[in-house]
Amino acid sequence: DAGITQSPRYKITETGRQVTLMCHQTWSHSYMFWYRQDLGHGLRLIYYSAAADITDKGEVPDGYVVSRSKTENFPLTLESATRSQTSVYFCASSGDRNTGELFFGEGSRLTVL
Amino acid sequence: GENVEQHPSTLSVQEGDSAVIKCTYSDSASNYFPWYKQELGKGPQLIIDIRSNVGEKKDQRIAVTLNKTAKHFSLHITETQPEDSAVYFCAALNTGFQKLVFGTGTRLLVSP
Repeated sequence: DAGITQSPRYKITETGRQVTLMCHQTWSHSYMFWYRQDLGHGLRLIYYSAAADITDKGEVPDGYVVSRSKTENFPLTLESATRSQTSVYFCASSGDRNTGELFFGEGSRLTVL
Repeated sequence: GENVEQHPSTLSVQEGDSAVIKCTYSDSASNYFPWYKQELGKGPQLIIDIRSNVGEKKDQRIAVTLNKTAKHFSLHITETQPEDSAVYFCAALNTGFQKLVFGTGTRLLVSP
């Protein structure tokens, strides 16, 4: 039972490059989320999805694009990476709208030079 | 929107002592308050949660209390152990929206 997996775990890129972080879950959870974690800010929601083909912005969506063509996948793309997007990114999923319990992946550490 | 403040940002205790982490929230409509534990190099994991119709909840050495009037909730860890060392996040949710708002985290260090 793989649960929720993220790839790559570590990525170094340059300013202006496009980067895609992958997220895959095996539970068929309806809800999926992307957070970024930065010191002093905790976890901030970038985008979330309630189902395939349904996505919505979170607190800090600028500079990011998401898609959800299949229930199990929720990739996050940085179209033109900036240094301020250096962060640890967490994907999460939830199967229950009411409890709000999130199951997190292990994170993707992105460095933009 | 909801805003969650969390204190302290770091907390150091001796093994066996108790640890308390406090959070306040701004949206009186929030009705679900989970706590997540994040170990080094891992994603956060739910350890305990409480709903607005309950004042206190316990699970072995951890407990959470909620004061709706004051809009604050706290995590209590008794008889701390080195494996409790981690970053702890509180969060608040209005269950009408599938979005959690997290606090900024507390780094707990338990020294043997």
